[in-house]
Amino acid sequence: QKEVEQNSGPLSVPEGAIASLNCTYSDRGSQSFFWYRQYSGKSPELIMFIYSNGDKEDGRFTAQLNKASQYVSLLIRDSQPSDSATYLCAVHTGGFKTIFGAGTRLFVKA
Amino acid sequence: DVKVTQSSRYLVKRTGEKVFLECVQDMDHENMFWYRQDPGLGLRLIYFSYDVKMKEKGDIPEGYSVSREKKERFSLILESASTNQTSMYLCASSPQVSQPQHFGDGTRLSIL
Repeated sequence: QKEVEQNSGPLSVPEGAIASLNCTYSDRGSQSFFWYRQYSGKSPELIMFIYSNGDKEDGRFTAQLNKASQYVSLLIRDSQPSDSATYLCAVHTGGFKTIFGAGTRLFVKA
Repeated sequence: DVKVTQSSRYLVKRTGEKVFLECVQDMDHENMFWYRQDPGLGLRLIYFSYDVKMKEKGDIPEGYSVSREKKERFSLILESASTNQTSMYLCASSPQVSQPQHFGDGTRLSIL
């Protein structure tokens, strides 16, 4: 069974701090990795995707991928209360399947 | 921007009814997906379609069927609704299966 694991949280950080969200996956052959943000009662919204080892930055968000250790992380700099949401890690494991983690709840305190 | 539209945001049905959930995308994507999302369980794939009239079972297809008669439209059918199918249902599309999926707003379905 291919798995994607995330800490369910909640992760609580003060406004302006860096939030660090982590995800591990079991299928070593995975090639595509995604982070989605999901507000309560809403659908997932793509934030970042990363295909290669290393860091990828987009505004306040940085995705980090380490295929050797089989983990992917999302850093949110200068966290804002509007960043409070559940963050889903997703991994394309091959074929037609993308496996989603259960999500980490982030709470940014004003 | 990709637009994925689900026909209903909220739906209440009774056990034993046949239920249709509709999804339309406007980006000519080949691939469309149906998921259900339950607290603590994440998104679970029900069915996937990679072309008109082509489909693959996901992880939890029991009690569901799908129809894709046109490229832009992917329908999920609950043949005989049961209370354990009460859930949030999410439709998504993507140009290739290794690329990001774009989600509709979701349908919160309650079976009484």
